[in-house]
Amino acid sequence: KNEVEQSPQNLTAQEGEFITINCSYSVGISALHWLQQHPGGGIVSLFMLSSGKKKHGRLIATINIQEKHSSLHITASHPRDSAVYICAVSTNTGNQFYFGTGTSLTVIP
Amino acid sequence: NAGVMQNPRHLVRRRGQEARLRCSPMKGHSHVYWYRQLPEEGLKFMVYLQKENIIDESGMPKERFSAEFPKEGPSILRIQQVVRGDSAAYFCASSPTGDRYEQYFGPGTRLTVT
Repeated sequence: KNEVEQSPQNLTAQEGEFITINCSYSVGISALHWLQQHPGGGIVSLFMLSSGKKKHGRLIATINIQEKHSSLHITASHPRDSAVYICAVSTNTGNQFYFGTGTSLTVIP
Repeated sequence: NAGVMQNPRHLVRRRGQEARLRCSPMKGHSHVYWYRQLPEEGLKFMVYLQKENIIDESGMPKERFSAEFPKEGPSILRIQQVVRGDSAAYFCASSPTGDRYEQYFGPGTRLTVT
């Protein structure tokens, strides 16, 4: 079993739709990250959070430490949001960093 | 402040050759991490280095792979005698401290072994 599980693996949405990507983890963490990987491969860090909620533009990330769960929301989705979204956690013991396998999002105009 | 730089962005090697991947961390960052992303798989940690020291190499294959981060110059990930299974995207990230939660990723090097 992976330390970090994401769902769904693939997601197709119409432009304008509200999108949710989920991440569950099984280890104690110091922080959770949401990363974005565009076609062509570069990785951009979207959020780093250890509690509560963060918002940046149309992106919102939430985390529930008790339930070991995080969600990434995209409001008013746009084709340029098409990318792979990766959840990663840094552990609070042993200083490890684990990645989910990613959610491939396609937003259709 | 330039971000993390990696070069080359694409590298093609024949089986048996050596591959050298370079990572220049952000200015002021002395901690570098290397990750590998195999086709159809997620990112996996390989090695964590601080200037002139390997801190954690628990994710490095036991043979053919080595990494260094000299006092001057970029961090180098070296793969000797490459095989087809080494074809992957290799990402590095840098951090100003040893806290892994504050990492900035480079654009990656895509290695293809023919």
